[in-house]
Amino acid sequence: NAGVTQTPKFQVLKTGQSMTLQCAQDMNHEYMSWYRQDPGMGLRLIHYSVGAGITDQGEVPNGYNVSRSTTEDFPLRLLSAAPSQTSVYFCASSYLRDTDTQYFGPGTRLTVL
Amino acid sequence: DQQVKQNSPSLSVQEGRISILNCDYTNSMFDYFLWYKKYPAEGPTFLISISSIKDKNEDGRFTVFLNKSAKHLSLHIVPSQPGDSAVYFCAASEGSGTYKYIFGTGTRLKVLA
Repeated sequence: NAGVTQTPKFQVLKTGQSMTLQCAQDMNHEYMSWYRQDPGMGLRLIHYSVGAGITDQGEVPNGYNVSRSTTEDFPLRLLSAAPSQTSVYFCASSYLRDTDTQYFGPGTRLTVL
Repeated sequence: DQQVKQNSPSLSVQEGRISILNCDYTNSMFDYFLWYKKYPAEGPTFLISISSIKDKNEDGRFTVFLNKSAKHLSLHIVPSQPGDSAVYFCAASEGSGTYKYIFGTGTRLKVLA
């Protein structure tokens, strides 16, 4: 099993550009989530999904879109990047019956200039 | 408003001694608490959890204590080992079915050999 994979590992964007952060898992987990980690702020939940076709907002959803067309994939879209979105982004997944034990990907470090 | 607080950004402990990491919360609806460990350039990994119906949970060298009246939890690591050097995050949720987790800002533990 590859676990949770995230691409790219690093990305630099200019303000106003759009991009999609990819997340995939091969553990057949129903639950998937996106967090951002900023200095002094810990991990903050952006969006999450409890299954294909079902998504919901977390603490900090503004500026981000998600969709879940398959169990395996949960991409995060930035429609118009802003410097405030400079952060490290983590994707995680788990079984729905045990969302406490989430498996995190290695992260994507995004810089918006 | 930070609902989950880790007031000590860093902690240094001698190898073999006890490490105590603290976490406070303000939301009385939280009833499930978790600890995650994070090494540099990796995603967080689940360590241990506790439900509000318990005041203690042990897993090997790791014990989490919960004091509901004080809205305080702590993670004890005994004995501490150099491999325990990492950032530790506590997190809380309002119970199963909410799927939303609020993380603290993290405490960087350094275990000195």
